[in-house]
Amino acid sequence: DAGVIQSPRHEVTEMGQEVTLRCKPISGHNSLFWYRQTMMRGLELLIYFNNNVPIDDSGMPEDRFSAKMPNASFSTLKIQPSEPRDSAVYFCASKPGFSGANVLTFGAGSRLTVL
Amino acid sequence: AQTVTQSQPEMSVQEAETVTLSCTYDTSESDYYLFWYKQPPSRQMILVIRQEAYKQQNATENRFSVNFQKAAKSFSLKISDSQLGDAAMYFCAYRSLTGGTSYGKLTFGQGTILTVHP
Repeated sequence: DAGVIQSPRHEVTEMGQEVTLRCKPISGHNSLFWYRQTMMRGLELLIYFNNNVPIDDSGMPEDRFSAKMPNASFSTLKIQPSEPRDSAVYFCASKPGFSGANVLTFGAGSRLTVL
Repeated sequence: AQTVTQSQPEMSVQEAETVTLSCTYDTSESDYYLFWYKQPPSRQMILVIRQEAYKQQNATENRFSVNFQKAAKSFSLKISDSQLGDAAMYFCAYRSLTGGTSYGKLTFGQGTILTVHP
């Protein structure tokens, strides 16, 4: 299994530009999570999906952020327009089933720098 | 809402020695899971160990063990025979098992940077 695959690994963009981060969860996993990691705020849950349906997006910081999961094998996190304070590492993670015992597997993260 | 606190921003240990990382959490729930994740410089998040709240026995995974004190809401990680490869940031995490939108969410502590000296 290739694990959770995220792209791009690194993104440098200018303020005001649109940024799209992509995630392919592990096949068979039906829960998908987007986290953001910064030095100041640590790891924050932005949004998570069960069976492609957004369950909780209360962590999405502003309307500039949006996430979609059009099918079980793909999700995107979009920031439009981007701002320097959005600079962070964004992690996607997935887990199988709905059991609380199931382990969350993380991708390698996408490091975003907004100039 | 649940909160997870790691009061040690940094810790250091000599190779082959034992170190304990602290974690406390706040919750009104009786059933939940607790996890320790490791994040090396590669930034990949790696599961170290997990504990089910309804199990009194402390979880153990090779050189890693936990001291779970449910009443005190404490969940510390002990690393025995520390190795250079253990150097990383360690995160404590709480998973809610209540219904609704909280179910399955992982809440992380701020992390502890562990340095291992040769």
